[in-house]
Amino acid sequence: KAGVTQTPRYLIKTRGQQVTLSCSPISGHRSVSWYQQTPGQGLQFLFEYFSETQRNKGNFPGRFSGRQFSNSRSEMNVSTLELGDSALYLCASSVQRGPSDTQYFGPGTRLTVL
Amino acid sequence: KNEVEQSPQNLTAQEGEFITINCSYSVGISALHWLQQHPGGGIVSLFMLSSGKKKHGRLIATINIQEKHSSLHITASHPRDSAVYICAAVFQGAQKLVFGQGTRLTINP
Repeated sequence: KAGVTQTPRYLIKTRGQQVTLSCSPISGHRSVSWYQQTPGQGLQFLFEYFSETQRNKGNFPGRFSGRQFSNSRSEMNVSTLELGDSALYLCASSVQRGPSDTQYFGPGTRLTVL
Repeated sequence: KNEVEQSPQNLTAQEGEFITINCSYSVGISALHWLQQHPGGGIVSLFMLSSGKKKHGRLIATINIQEKHSSLHITASHPRDSAVYICAAVFQGAQKLVFGQGTRLTINP
């Protein structure tokens, strides 16, 4: 089975722009979670989607949003980018809903905001 | 507050040594994950456990629910084990992972 894929792998944007990141889960996985990793804050949970519905959300502003399609692929959008949004964004898929299931991580999208 | 603490933050050892990384958490959990992150960012899930002990190859993970503590052990360490190891807890009543700050392990040949 193919692993979790994320596109693009690298992205450079300027402040005020918006960005959309994509995540394709492992075939048969219905849950997709998104995480932000920065040197200062480490890994933090953004949100989880299961069956096209957002099930859980972390402590991030409303500029961070996402969605999930019927084929379980997920997108994450960040509007009005700030310098502090520079980070590695990881998605992870799992068979079942929630974090008490093995998470399979993608390679990440490294976002740089100038 | 739901918190996860790891120790040590950095660990350097010689090839062949027995390695222990510790993870403690603040309140009751329903599950704990151990993850491995190599340079470049990719994360691999090593273990998920809610009680007892799990073993996979040279890696062993244990958890003591009463003491709110988990350990990851590596036997016969090898330079390819060099990576950042992260524990992440699922606190009871919460449906998200809370991560420790990671332990950077370097194994010298």
